[in-house]
Amino acid sequence: GAGVSQSPSNKVTEKGKDVELRCDPISGHTALYWYRQSLGQGLEFLIYFQGNSAPDKSGLPSDRFSAERTGGSVSTLTIQRTQQEDSAVYLCASSLVVRTGELFFGEGSRLTVL
Amino acid sequence: AQRVTQPEKLLSVFKGAPVELKCNYSYSGSPELFWYVQYSRQRLQLLLRHISRESIKGFTADLNKGETSFHLKKPFAQEEDSAMYYCALRNFGNEKLTFGTGTRLTIIP
Repeated sequence: GAGVSQSPSNKVTEKGKDVELRCDPISGHTALYWYRQSLGQGLEFLIYFQGNSAPDKSGLPSDRFSAERTGGSVSTLTIQRTQQEDSAVYLCASSLVVRTGELFFGEGSRLTVL
Repeated sequence: AQRVTQPEKLLSVFKGAPVELKCNYSYSGSPELFWYVQYSRQRLQLLLRHISRESIKGFTADLNKGETSFHLKKPFAQEEDSAMYYCALRNFGNEKLTFGTGTRLTIIP
């Protein structure tokens, strides 16, 4: 594809429900990142996948958050039992290892928890 | 722990005036610094990186290790510079990028 693709672009859910957010990185990019963008909080790192290595989960805010990357490509971020403070834009990015530092971002998934 | 601080959440500058967006960092190793920009209704994208020592769209940024700063500068602001700017830091040899909270720059016509 032309760029990083995320779906859904908008998601409204009720408190306590589970949500899944999907990211399709640029073909051939081995590194994939999830960030959360909240008002006044900037870009908060959540998790990072690199090839077949164990993911860096150090940014996940609680055990309600999890992510997987299947086949080294598509990734899914799952938030269980959503809370109102989970409302944010969730951004996915990918990068080529050989061009480290330049992340290519998707348009984000805006999550609203009522 | 690595940290990036952008002290200004909002910055307004008149067209033609100089712009400086501040960024300070804390990190004990050898960091790599970046500026990312998000224009209205567009994706977040890389603006420049300190390693390249480049000028992009008239913007430059110098890494000052003594002051642990990486301020973004442009001598003459243009209306199209209005955007959200994020400073970011990466461990040398590591892929993880740590971002600051961002500065919204508004250029006044």
